[in-house]
Amino acid sequence: GENVEQHPSTLSVQEGDSAVIKCTYSDSASNYFPWYKQELGKRPQLIIDIRSNVGEKKDQRIAVTLNKTAKHFSLHITETQPEDSAVYFCAAATGTVSKLTFGTGTRLQVTL
Amino acid sequence: DGGITQSPKYLFRKEGQNVTLSCEQNLNHDAMYWYRQDPGQGLRLIYYSQIVNDFQKGDIAEGYSVSREKKESFPLTVTSAQKNPTAFYLCASLAGTNTGELFFGEGSRLTVL
Repeated sequence: GENVEQHPSTLSVQEGDSAVIKCTYSDSASNYFPWYKQELGKRPQLIIDIRSNVGEKKDQRIAVTLNKTAKHFSLHITETQPEDSAVYFCAAATGTVSKLTFGTGTRLQVTL
Repeated sequence: DGGITQSPKYLFRKEGQNVTLSCEQNLNHDAMYWYRQDPGQGLRLIYYSQIVNDFQKGDIAEGYSVSREKKESFPLTVTSAQKNPTAFYLCASLAGTNTGELFFGEGSRLTVL
């Protein structure tokens, strides 16, 4: 089955700096890659996703890039703010996205 | 107010007891999921159901059971066979196979004493 590895497990950045979280996947047939954000004590929520026919997608301060050849994808957050502090999960799915495999999560802390 | 409701939020259980976690959704979603969240291990899939009266094992189904008798409900039973049941459990539903967005409940924290 699919295996998703996520790095780093913790990340601390200063407010205004950029943050990058990287994930690799094992199944070359995977074609859907979402990112979820889980704030402390809250439920995970989708923040951005990308499909395998696209190399990059942006939404304001966040972007995701996908390298199908290397089987890795990354989340980029620019101009980080304290409210970006959370745990971020990457995931991958094959086919109809009915079954997602999640990475182990990255705890991002944005310091003032 | 549409969404996914999990109950109870906190649950304590003695070893050897079965316990059932409730998950109800009023989003009219076909697919529902149960995940287990442990520190440093992300979200691991326990069971999922794509349609009423049908469900499939996920990656860590041993010691768990589910039912899907109604579209709105997908309860999870943690049985005494589950060797390490203390965890945070998240239920989710999927809007559709094209959208891919999982909607999560607020979770249930189970502690085995």
